[in-house]
Amino acid sequence: LAKTTQPISMDSYEGQEVNITCSHNNIATNDYITWYQQFPSQGPRFIIQGYKTKVTNEVASLFIPADRKSSTLSLPRVSLSDTAVYYCLVAPAGNFNKFYFGSGTKLNVKP
Amino acid sequence: NAGVMQNPRHLVRRRGQEARLRCSPMKGHSHVYWYRQLPEEGLKFMVYLQKENIIDESGMPKERFSAEFPKEGPSILRIQQVVRGDSAAYFCASSPLLREGLNNEQFFGPGTRLTVL
Repeated sequence: LAKTTQPISMDSYEGQEVNITCSHNNIATNDYITWYQQFPSQGPRFIIQGYKTKVTNEVASLFIPADRKSSTLSLPRVSLSDTAVYYCLVAPAGNFNKFYFGSGTKLNVKP
Repeated sequence: NAGVMQNPRHLVRRRGQEARLRCSPMKGHSHVYWYRQLPEEGLKFMVYLQKENIIDESGMPKERFSAEFPKEGPSILRIQQVVRGDSAAYFCASSPLLREGLNNEQFFGPGTRLTVL
């Protein structure tokens, strides 16, 4: 399974756009990139998933360059409630999924 | 449609006792995953089950830990003779029937926080 590397923590202010980059140099051809969000004392929650180029939903955008060795989660105009840990996962499509969560990026949004 | 349910939410056990953690997957989901999370760390995969079958238990300690997902009822993660190092949050996730070529989303429950005294 491809290992991921992301910043341990980030600070931001309300209303700013936040970009969290994840490195996955050993990503395989059939791997997808998935981001989860976890609030304290809660289970992770799916944010977005992509394979290549750009994916956008009502919550975030995911940018994946052509070589797929990295990806960037973009959160537009963050609010205090976006303070959470964000995990980047790389997992193969196939018969089952076995997500490996690293330490994630702890985003702290300040007023 | 209720989400993934776990109970109890908090469980306190003394060393040597048994801990039983329950997980009811989302309606229509036939795949269950268990993860363990230590404070300030990410989730660590433990075991993946389908109804009446353990598919992958590579992340589960060989001793004292077991998991099941019976035909009827919730999935159970059982820890025998608990030790202080078992204190952690245990999360269950479920997913629907997996489709080839797609990376399926896992839906997580709120977790059970186990404290071993």
